[in-house]
Amino acid sequence: GEDVEQSLFLSVREGDSSVINCTYTDSSSTYLYWYKQEPGAGLQLLTYIFSNMDMKQDQRLTVLLNKKDKHLSLRIADTQTGDSAIYFCAEVGAGKSTFGDGTTLTVKP
Amino acid sequence: DAMVIQNPRYQVTQFGKPVTLSCSQTLNHNVMYWYQQKSSQAPKLLFHYYDKDFNNEADTPDNFQSRRPNTSFCFLDIRSPGLGDAAMYLCATSAGTSQNEQFFGPGTRLTVL
Repeated sequence: GEDVEQSLFLSVREGDSSVINCTYTDSSSTYLYWYKQEPGAGLQLLTYIFSNMDMKQDQRLTVLLNKKDKHLSLRIADTQTGDSAIYFCAEVGAGKSTFGDGTTLTVKP
Repeated sequence: DAMVIQNPRYQVTQFGKPVTLSCSQTLNHNVMYWYQQKSSQAPKLLFHYYDKDFNNEADTPDNFQSRRPNTSFCFLDIRSPGLGDAAMYLCATSAGTSQNEQFFGPGTRLTVL
């Protein structure tokens, strides 16, 4: 079945760049998503990328996709304390999303 | 403007006492999903409705049921909550099942005493 894996924790200093990595197994995935979840809240869609793209940039966010290796990354430039949250990678196919376990990003002042 | 609304945000129930969580949407999306998310884990899909068609995940316990009386509303019924059912329950909607973005509600945190 589908599987999505992420590293569980990342800690960076304010102003540095953060890179959150994700690997997936379903090669038929057409869309790959990044969600942000703050404590006690639902999931907020940050960005997504089509599988025929290598890169997508949206303000401070850059998504890189290596389809051959099934590797997805999210780069947050100039990370702020407000970026502290859990970040979920998800692949969507066949009527449902498969989520990774989330990466907890801690931003230190 | 809230698009996917979940009520209540926090629900406390007793072991074995039936509980219903509700979700409503203003997006007129035809698909509605219920996810269970336990602490520090990925959201786990329980079931979804495509219009009135109910689609249950194979490993969703029978203890969990759902109703969708109309396009806007969807309910999650837990017939006999156990301590292991304490979790965040997330409702989501999408305009279709084919790779479309899911819009999530804020979730309902269920505590079982």
